Amino acid sequence: GESVGLHLPTLSVQEGDNSIINCAYSNSASDYFIWYKQESGKGPQFIIDIRSNMDKRQGQRVTVLLNKTVKHLSLQIAATQPGDSAVYFCAETVQGGSEKLVFGKGTKLTVNP
Amino acid sequence: NAGVMQNPRHLVRRRGQEARLRCSPMKGHSHVYWYRQLPEEGLKFMVYLQKENIIDESGMPKERFSAEFPKEGPSILRIQQVVRGDSAAYFCASSPPRPSPLHFGNGTRLTVT
Repeated sequence: GESVGLHLPTLSVQEGDNSIINCAYSNSASDYFIWYKQESGKGPQFIIDIRSNMDKRQGQRVTVLLNKTVKHLSLQIAATQPGDSAVYFCAETVQGGSEKLVFGKGTKLTVNP
Repeated sequence: NAGVMQNPRHLVRRRGQEARLRCSPMKGHSHVYWYRQLPEEGLKFMVYLQKENIIDESGMPKERFSAEFPKEGPSILRIQQVVRGDSAAYFCASSPPRPSPLHFGNGTRLTVT
């Protein structure tokens, strides 16, 4: 199917802790993955992406891990801040295919001060 | 460099009326995507367009919905004879030629009364 899911609907962490948000994908042909952050009343904001020829990619305070064997994606946020509170979506697509980006349902991250 | 611009931000229509949602992509972006989001859910793909061409409309309802991206001017998502079930947030995204992340606007929130 097209769904991307398997995640906790909500995640609550303390400020300064590390956060891990998980996502499973079902299309084994997917070869490009993106994490988006969506704040209330706004559109999704790009965080980080990863191609299937990699298993890890780091950005500023964020790391994405890709495990193609079990079709699992995770987003790690270091030293979580109140401004990180939002809904996080993973998305997948097949490059060179329909270009359609398939989104999961999302995980709501709440950072407690 | 202005981001993806959508208008209006909020749109209220009575059942049976028409809704027109506009999207101006980022400068230099020739690919436009429309997504629909229901409360507490992920984004569902509707249609992918390039200038004057519909590339993939597999997510568009067969009736009442249409989209265009003319040579000049914004992309338009048109919903005829709206029903209450059309109430949702509609997001537009744009990108340069792929592969690259999509950049989203802040959406149009359609309410059908």
